[in-house]
Amino acid sequence: GENVEQHPSTLSVQEGDSAVIKCTYSDSASNYFPWYKQELGKGPQLIIDIRSNVGEKKDQRIAVTLNKTAKHFSLHITETQPEDSAVYFCAASPLLSGGYNKLIFGAGTRLAVHP
Amino acid sequence: DSGVTQTPKHLITATGQRVTLRCSPRSGDLSVYWYQQSLDQGLQFLIQYYNGEERAKGNILERFSAQQFPDLHSELNLSSLELGDSALYFCASSVGTTQREQYFGPGTRLTVT
Repeated sequence: GENVEQHPSTLSVQEGDSAVIKCTYSDSASNYFPWYKQELGKGPQLIIDIRSNVGEKKDQRIAVTLNKTAKHFSLHITETQPEDSAVYFCAASPLLSGGYNKLIFGAGTRLAVHP
Repeated sequence: DSGVTQTPKHLITATGQRVTLRCSPRSGDLSVYWYQQSLDQGLQFLIQYYNGEERAKGNILERFSAQQFPDLHSELNLSSLELGDSALYFCASSVGTTQREQYFGPGTRLTVT
């Protein structure tokens, strides 16, 4: 069935270090992969996404890579700052006919950036 | 602020009761999605509406139902509530079907006692 595995579940880094979160998806029909950041008491916030026709995408300190063959995608945060501390979720989505567009989420990674 | 609004912010009710959660999508968005976030199940897709029509169903219980109105706001109805229904309920919206980005609201925290 549809499944997204996310690792690690918790990640602790020092300010200025890099953080990497990895996800694996099972549904080969998935072709859209967003990443969300969720701060305490708030809804998930879309921070970056990648489509299956692209291998890498960057936005300032954040980058996402996709390996379709291995069904892996990863989030890379460089020069981490305390305000990056949050729970990060990866997701995968197939686009099927008729506008069926659900997201299958990973279990989340709690990132703590220590000053 | 994503532009998606949800009311109420918090809801406390008793087992067996029925509640309605409301969502207004971002201006111009035609698709609305409902997700449930619980500690043991994570973020689970419940249902999608597009321009008033149901498009997809996920792990939505028969006790739950939703609709999208002509003004595009959506309501999620939860009935015969059980303790296990306590969770955060999020609404998300997207422009349509070709634009994939989903933007989430702040959520409604439901507590069933």
